[in-house]
Amino acid sequence: KQEVTQIPAALSVPEGENLVLNCSFTDSAIYNLQWFRQDPGKGLTSLLLIQSSQREQTSGRLNASLDKSSGRSTLYIAASQPGDSATYLCAVKRVRAGNQFYFGTGTSLTVIP
Amino acid sequence: EAQVTQNPRYLITVTGKKLTVTCSQNMNHEYMSWYRQDPGLGLRQIYYSMNVEVTDKGDVPEGYKVSRKEKRNFPLILESPSPNQTSLYFCASSSPTGSTEAFFGQGTRLTVV
Repeated sequence: KQEVTQIPAALSVPEGENLVLNCSFTDSAIYNLQWFRQDPGKGLTSLLLIQSSQREQTSGRLNASLDKSSGRSTLYIAASQPGDSATYLCAVKRVRAGNQFYFGTGTSLTVIP
Repeated sequence: EAQVTQNPRYLITVTGKKLTVTCSQNMNHEYMSWYRQDPGLGLRQIYYSMNVEVTDKGDVPEGYKVSRKEKRNFPLILESPSPNQTSLYFCASSSPTGSTEAFFGQGTRLTVV
């Protein structure tokens, strides 16, 4: 079974800092990995999608990398802002019947003004 | 605008009273699924559907039913809700191709008393 782990569970940084969130998974047989943002009590907003054949994806201040062989992904946030405060989730889509997503438990980010 | 719509957004009910949470998508996706999110456990898949009239169990299907009579709709049915089904529920859809992005609804906060 696929296990997805996110470290750290919580992170607090001053505004303007660059930061890295980590995601690791146990089964490298994946179609893709997707990073989401979740605001308290809200839904999931897709941030970046990385295909299994790709090494990284960028969107604005966000950059996500994928090392499938080692089962790791990182989300890099440049020049953090208070509006970036949220929980960040990574999910891997496993290669099996059902195309099931497996989620990590998230990293709760607080950016202090 | 591509979206997944869940209703209701918030629901408080009593133990044993049957309820249905609706999910509708406007992207003509074949694949739809339901997840529940609980503190410390992350998101876990309840049921999924690969197409009309094709459904299968995810990791935590006990106490839930689903149906897929139309491509756009995938309701989640709790025949006899219990307090341990108090959770935040998400519906998701995507095309069946493994590499595609998943879209999530805004969530349904269910409380069973």
